[in-house]
Amino acid sequence: DSGVTQTPKHLITATGQRVTLRCSPRSGDLSVYWYQQSLDQGLQFLIQYYNGEERAKGNILERFSAQQFPDLHSELNLSSLELGDSALYFCASSASGTSYNEQFFGPGTRLTVL
Amino acid sequence: AQSVTQLDSHVSVSEGTPVLLRCNYSSSYSPSLFWYVQHPNKGLQLLLKYTSAATLVKGINGFEAEFKKSETSFHLTKPSAHMSDAAEYFCVVSVGRDDKIIFGKGTRLHILP
Repeated sequence: DSGVTQTPKHLITATGQRVTLRCSPRSGDLSVYWYQQSLDQGLQFLIQYYNGEERAKGNILERFSAQQFPDLHSELNLSSLELGDSALYFCASSASGTSYNEQFFGPGTRLTVL
Repeated sequence: AQSVTQLDSHVSVSEGTPVLLRCNYSSSYSPSLFWYVQHPNKGLQLLLKYTSAATLVKGINGFEAEFKKSETSFHLTKPSAHMSDAAEYFCVVSVGRDDKIIFGKGTRLHILP
């Protein structure tokens, strides 16, 4: 158990809809990372937050947004969903904001868009 | 710009034989390099990391990796495979200068009885 929690575990929705994925980092970790894992694209870094502020941006679509709240939990919002957004979404946390620290991964949220 | 290439998408070895998972990287600056493992239906877990200290890095579960700057490689090895090693392995590069993290496409390791 990494100490990172993600809810929900599974999410099934329809095209055009909007969903919110939630992540709670390990106690004491200030950074939260979001990743998308799909069969065709592999593991893609989406975005990182550090202590409430956006720190780094990867291949995140404009339809997607994220935020980190004062209690350090984070939410990833996916809107105008398309079939291709079906994937496993991971959240990870680390103690600091630098990319050379170990990241602890949550169990993921499996999103299915029908 | 940095990149990472995992040279094999699948590797099969027999239980008790050595494991070699290959990773090459490209980076304009001194990189940090990681290997993560993902067991089926689980999140990723750090195996080991290199951050400019010793070039031979020892990780968990008997894995180790050697940073070779001249070959821009960071191959993962284990002397004797165990059935529980069957998983997907990701090589990761990060460069502190712009803090970007890039994952390789992964190598799926199969262990034959």
